[in-house]
Amino acid sequence: EAQVTQNPRYLITVTGKKLTVTCSQNMNHEYMSWYRQDPGLGLRQIYYSMNVEVTDKGDVPEGYKVSRKEKRNFPLILESPSPNQTSLYFCASSLVRRVGGSDTQYFGPGTRLTVL
Amino acid sequence: AQKITQTQPGMFVQEKEAVTLDCTYDTSDQSYGLFWYKQPSSGEMIFLIYQGSYDEQNATEGRYSLNFQKARKSANLVISASQLGDSAMYFCAMRGPNTGNQFYFGTGTSLTVIP
Repeated sequence: EAQVTQNPRYLITVTGKKLTVTCSQNMNHEYMSWYRQDPGLGLRQIYYSMNVEVTDKGDVPEGYKVSRKEKRNFPLILESPSPNQTSLYFCASSLVRRVGGSDTQYFGPGTRLTVL
Repeated sequence: AQKITQTQPGMFVQEKEAVTLDCTYDTSDQSYGLFWYKQPSSGEMIFLIYQGSYDEQNATEGRYSLNFQKARKSANLVISASQLGDSAMYFCAMRGPNTGNQFYFGTGTSLTVIP
């Protein structure tokens, strides 16, 4: 089954304790992305990657790190989480957009993070 | 800069009626894609429909259609014959070539279908 998986689905942690949210896709997609969703703000992109070893900042990258060592995996790292990073996080993947292609994103199930 | 605007924070519709969710966008790209996603209360993001900027006909997928007006830069989602299961958040998104293939999302519209 084609899918994007994220782990953990729920996480409660404390300020300053490093954490990693894993993301994996089995569709051989080049493009992967992380979003955070907050009420009234929609989805905002944190980081994205066009391919292995290629990552770029999105609109809200502060406080986050990513890596893309393998095509299928795109972990999100919070080195020192703070309460303002409490949010719902989505990983997504797609093909790199080609002119005329639909290339929709496929989303993971989401990770609800609470930082106390 | 790319921008997506959804001006309706919340909408109500009677079951079996049609409803239109508004979306306007701002881009300088000539080639771009427009997407609608549904997020039910369970939280997952579900792709509904896609419209390419060069597509001459409005996209349709079952009860979903996209009213694309390129000159006005609008991409409204029309849901026909609303069902109770359509109650959800709906997000409009855009993707263009000049911003590293990034997707930009609107703030969403919460749709409630009334029995």
